Amino acid sequence: DIQTTQSPSSLSASVGDRVTITCRASQTISNYLNWYQQKVGKAPNLLIYAASTLQSGVPSRFSGSGSGTDFTLTISSLQPEDFATYYCQQSYSTPYTFGQGTKVEI
Amino acid sequence: QVQLQESGPGLVKPSQTLSLICTVSGGSVSSGHYYWTWIRQPAGRGLEWIGRIYTRGGTDYSPSLKSRVTISLDTSKNQFSLNLSSVTAADTAVYYCARGRYFGGWLALDQWGQGTLVNVSS
Repeated sequence: DIQTTQSPSSLSASVGDRVTITCRASQTISNYLNWYQQKVGKAPNLLIYAASTLQSGVPSRFSGSGSGTDFTLTISSLQPEDFATYYCQQSYSTPYTFGQGTKVEI
Repeated sequence: QVQLQESGPGLVKPSQTLSLICTVSGGSVSSGHYYWTWIRQPAGRGLEWIGRIYTRGGTDYSPSLKSRVTISLDTSKNQFSLNLSSVTAADTAVYYCARGRYFGGWLALDQWGQGTLVNVSS
């Protein structure tokens, strides 16, 4: 299995801050990397696919980058509604493993 | 807008089989553009990919669960299902069904059910 490791596991930030979350794959996965946002008690929601392509309807303050083994999710200006846990997922080979999550606290 | 809804028992006894159904509305499980997936999440923990089924019936399972998992498709009812045998307390989790979509050559889970909690307990 391809392991995906996120860092940090949690962070505290203020409204307006720039936030960066990192995801590292245990082997090269090109750009087969997705990002999801999960709010408490809700199902995850797709933010970004193919490492950097924003899903329709997702605010432009979210962006993704990276290729190979190292990827980042950036929130350019944190909003109160961004309080959530964020997960990366590799879609290079099955099982399509998820990172352990990064909890963003406002 | 496609919607997915999980259903099934909220309580399963140890050693028995967990059975869940995902009903899809607003779209067809027979569409070749998608695949249908099960994911689970123990309380306070991360997401675990269980497996998927293609519209033509092919399946992929997580190696850690492969010996106990079966995912099936019922096109007549526009549903897909999950069976997990010989359950233990470690299988207690919220179970999600989701639609996998091909964005060009890239795959992602773009629609999710709300999730259903399954407790394994005697």
